[in-house]
Amino acid sequence: NAGVTQTPKFQVLKTGQSMTLQCAQDMNHNSMYWYRQDPGMGLRLIYYSASEGTTDKGEVPNGYNVSRLNKREFSLRLESAAPSQTSVYFCASSEILGRGYTFGSGTRLTVV
Amino acid sequence: TQLLEQSPQFLSIQEGENLTVYCNSSSVFSSLQWYRQEPGEGPVLLVTVVTGGEVKKLKRLTFQFGDARKDSSLHITAAQPGDTGLYLCAGDRYNDMRFGAGTRLTVKP
Repeated sequence: NAGVTQTPKFQVLKTGQSMTLQCAQDMNHNSMYWYRQDPGMGLRLIYYSASEGTTDKGEVPNGYNVSRLNKREFSLRLESAAPSQTSVYFCASSEILGRGYTFGSGTRLTVV
Repeated sequence: TQLLEQSPQFLSIQEGENLTVYCNSSSVFSSLQWYRQEPGEGPVLLVTVVTGGEVKKLKRLTFQFGDARKDSSLHITAAQPGDTGLYLCAGDRYNDMRFGAGTRLTVKP
C-alpha cells in the first residue's frame, strides 16, 4: 500500500527551466495538496484541490500551476524556475478537506 | 510572523526525561493536528483534536487542545531516542490549514 507517491525525489534546475512534479495517491482521497517546506517557515500551502475537477490557490501560489488530472493524480508545474523556488515540496491527500493529511516523502528541488 | 507559533524551536534532552512543547495562536481553529517528521520524509499524522479542552493520549504522548481552541500542547513522558524528530502542529481554520514551523526534538540515549 503505497499511500502518496511523489516523483522525482531530487531535481536540480537552471533558472528559467520548467518542470512538473508528479503526485499520485491510492487511498481514494478526495482532496490533494501541494506544500513547500523551507527552514524556519514551516509548511506553506501552494495549491490545493478539494475534489476532482477543482483547484484553488493557497498561501504562496505565485510561479506555480497545478493540474488535477483525475482523482488519483495532482501535478505541480514550475513554468520558469527561480532560485527562490529552491525548497522541499510535499504532496498530501486527505479524505476530508483540511484534515488528517497523508504526505508523500517529498521532492528536494534546487534552482541554480 | 507565523499564524501558529511553536515553542521551543529546539529541545535536546536525555532519555527518560519528560517534556512539553507548545503551539500557540491568536486565531480560533476548528481542529488542530500534530505531526512528526523525520529527516528526508514527509510528516506523519499523530493526532487530531477537535473539541476545546480535549485531551488525547497516544502511548507516552498526551495532546491537549486549549479551551478556546487557540492553542495546544504535546507532552511526552519518559522520552526515548525513537521520539527524536520535528514535531509540527497544524490548525484548520475552516478549510484554511496552517502549519507551525515546528519543534526539533533530540532525545539522547
